[in-house]
Amino acid sequence: NAGVMQNPRHLVRRRGQEARLRCSPMKGHSHVYWYRQLPEEGLKFMVYLQKENIIDESGMPKERFSAEFPKEGPSILRIQQVVRGDSAAYFCASSPGGGRLPNEQFFGPGTRLTVL
Amino acid sequence: QQQVKQSPQSLIVQKGGISIINCAYENTAFDYFPWYQQFPGKGPALLIAIRPDVSEKKEGRFTISFNKSAKQFSLHIMDSQPGDSATYFCAATTQGGSEKLVFGKGTKLTVNP
Repeated sequence: NAGVMQNPRHLVRRRGQEARLRCSPMKGHSHVYWYRQLPEEGLKFMVYLQKENIIDESGMPKERFSAEFPKEGPSILRIQQVVRGDSAAYFCASSPGGGRLPNEQFFGPGTRLTVL
Repeated sequence: QQQVKQSPQSLIVQKGGISIINCAYENTAFDYFPWYQQFPGKGPALLIAIRPDVSEKKEGRFTISFNKSAKQFSLHIMDSQPGDSATYFCAATTQGGSEKLVFGKGTKLTVNP
């Protein structure tokens, strides 16, 4: 029973390039969350998606960041024209949804993005 | 605006001792309070969680104490072991909405042998 999978685990980009981070939720989970963790900081919510829908993007920067969770395939967090301040660990979490409470979130191992 | 405040930032405990981490929240709409454990280079793992209709929840050596009127909750690790050395995050959310987690800044626990 595989957990939440994220790839790549480490990603190095130069300023101005694009970064694509992928997340495959746990089997049977239909809800995906993305969080960002800066060094020595807690995790900050970015976006919450269900299949083909963005439910809450209140934590997403207004520019350069986008997320999707297509009907088939993993969820993708996309960062265009990366800057050094985007260097962080990006974590994906999934939950089963379906109205069950508590709707526990299970985290993946993260993608560590370094912008040179 | 930090909605969940966590202290201390770091904690050193001797093996066999009790580790105590405290969190305070502001938003009275929060109704679910999980604690996560994170080892270096890994993702956070759910440790234990509580809802405000109970004042305490215990799972093995881990206990959450919850004070609704003070809007505070704490994690107690009894008989702390070197393997417990990790960063611990408290979090809070409102069930039934987007259920996004609001995290504290974390406590780095070191348990000396």
